[in-house]
Amino acid sequence: GAGVSQSPSNKVTEKGKDVELRCDPISGHTALYWYRQSLGQGLEFLIYFQGNSAPDKSGLPSDRFSAERTGGSVSTLTIQRTQQEDSAVYLCASSLARRGEQFFGPGTRLTVL
Amino acid sequence: AQKITQTQPGMFVQEKEAVTLDCTYDTSDPSYGLFWYKQPSSGEMIFLIYQGSYDQQNATEGRYSLNFQKARKSANLVISASQLGDSAMYFCAMREGIITGNQFYFGTGTSLTVIP
Repeated sequence: GAGVSQSPSNKVTEKGKDVELRCDPISGHTALYWYRQSLGQGLEFLIYFQGNSAPDKSGLPSDRFSAERTGGSVSTLTIQRTQQEDSAVYLCASSLARRGEQFFGPGTRLTVL
Repeated sequence: AQKITQTQPGMFVQEKEAVTLDCTYDTSDPSYGLFWYKQPSSGEMIFLIYQGSYDQQNATEGRYSLNFQKARKSANLVISASQLGDSAMYFCAMREGIITGNQFYFGTGTSLTVIP
């Protein structure tokens, strides 16, 4: 069956440009999470969606980061005016609401030059 | 305070031996879930095992078992009969409020190397 997919798999951009990262969760999964993982580090929580609403945006590092989810499915993470410190792997995960183990996508590796 | 603490940045184990990866957690919520994930060098995050706070038995999944000591707030992962393919980063995670909870908390991970 289809798992969580993310696109693009790799993105190289210049400092100051905007980027959009996409996540397609597993069909029927109501919860969707975005994380950031810097090289050799653990996961940094960014934002959580339940359906289309985001009850927890506490992890977004600055107002340059925003995310939306439409139709209870696809989510887009947007980073405006990218900085070099934004370079990381951005992971998306989805889960069913109850027990809640997360199923992760392969990630998008973002490099800001 | 850290929600999830993994005190072993790196571990080595001989092939076919068992290894325990430590995890302690901090929560005042009586309802929570504990998870272990494996992240090989390829980068994918693979769900391994789950333990609910009300589960009476320790969770087991094949060669993985979770040594759940609720009073000590520890949820150690035991891998039996280690294989070379077990070499990876291992992350412990917690979700507070099983039904209503949202945010997951991840530890900093333990890098496991299996020696032939």
